[in-house]
Amino acid sequence: AQSVTQLDSQVPVFEEAPVELRCNYSSSVSVYLFWYVQYPNQGLQLLLKYLSGSTLVKGINGFEAEFNKSQTSFHLRKPSVHISDTAEYFCAVSDKSNDYKLSFGAGTTVTVRA
Amino acid sequence: SQTIHQWPATLVQPVGSPLSLECTVEGTSNPNLYWYRQAAGRGLQLLFYSVGIGQISSEVPQNLSASRPQDRQFILSSKKLLLSDSGFYLCAWTSRGHEAFFGQGTRLTVV
Repeated sequence: AQSVTQLDSQVPVFEEAPVELRCNYSSSVSVYLFWYVQYPNQGLQLLLKYLSGSTLVKGINGFEAEFNKSQTSFHLRKPSVHISDTAEYFCAVSDKSNDYKLSFGAGTTVTVRA
Repeated sequence: SQTIHQWPATLVQPVGSPLSLECTVEGTSNPNLYWYRQAAGRGLQLLFYSVGIGQISSEVPQNLSASRPQDRQFILSSKKLLLSDSGFYLCAWTSRGHEAFFGQGTRLTVV
C-alpha cells in the first residue's frame, strides 16, 4: 500500500531563513506528487505538483520541490520565508497503478518567527 | 467550472445515532471521489475512495461506510455513531490523479 512520510512534524524557522520540508513515499511504480498548504482556519491550497518532465518544480509563493525517483523523495524548499508562510504543509502522492489513489502525509507545521 | 459541495458544515449528533454526509461535484464527469478525516498531527487520513458508481475502496476498518449512487455524488454514512467518530471530514475529487479539489469540510461532534 502506498504511504507518505513527512519526516518533520514541526519546523520552527526565523523570518528570511531558508526552509526544507522532507517527504518520502513508498511506491514501486510511477506516481504524481503534490504539496498542499493549509493556512490557519482555511482549506487546502495546492502549492505545486509534479506530473512528469523536469524534476525541479516551481510553485506559488516562491516554493519549489525536487522529485528524486531513486530516493522516492519530494522535498519542498523555500530560500527565504516570511511570517505569512506560517501554515501546515502536506505532501501527497497519487498512485497511477492504483486508480490514482491519493494519499497524504501527516503534515508539517511551519512556524515562522521574526 | 468545477465546484464541489459538501454539507452540512457542522453537525452535533448523539452517540448511537445514524450519520449521513453528502458531497456532490459539478462541472466534471467520472471523477475520482475521496472521503478524508483530518485530525491534528495525523494529516488527512484517507477513509474511502471511489473510481466509479458503486465502486468503493475502504482504507481503514471502522464504523463508517461510503456509497456512490450517482457519478458525482459521494455519501459517508454510519448506522451508529461512536464518540471516536468525532472529527473534521473532507470530501475531495480528482480527475485521474491530477490536482485535488476539496469541499469545505464537516465538523462532526458526537456527544
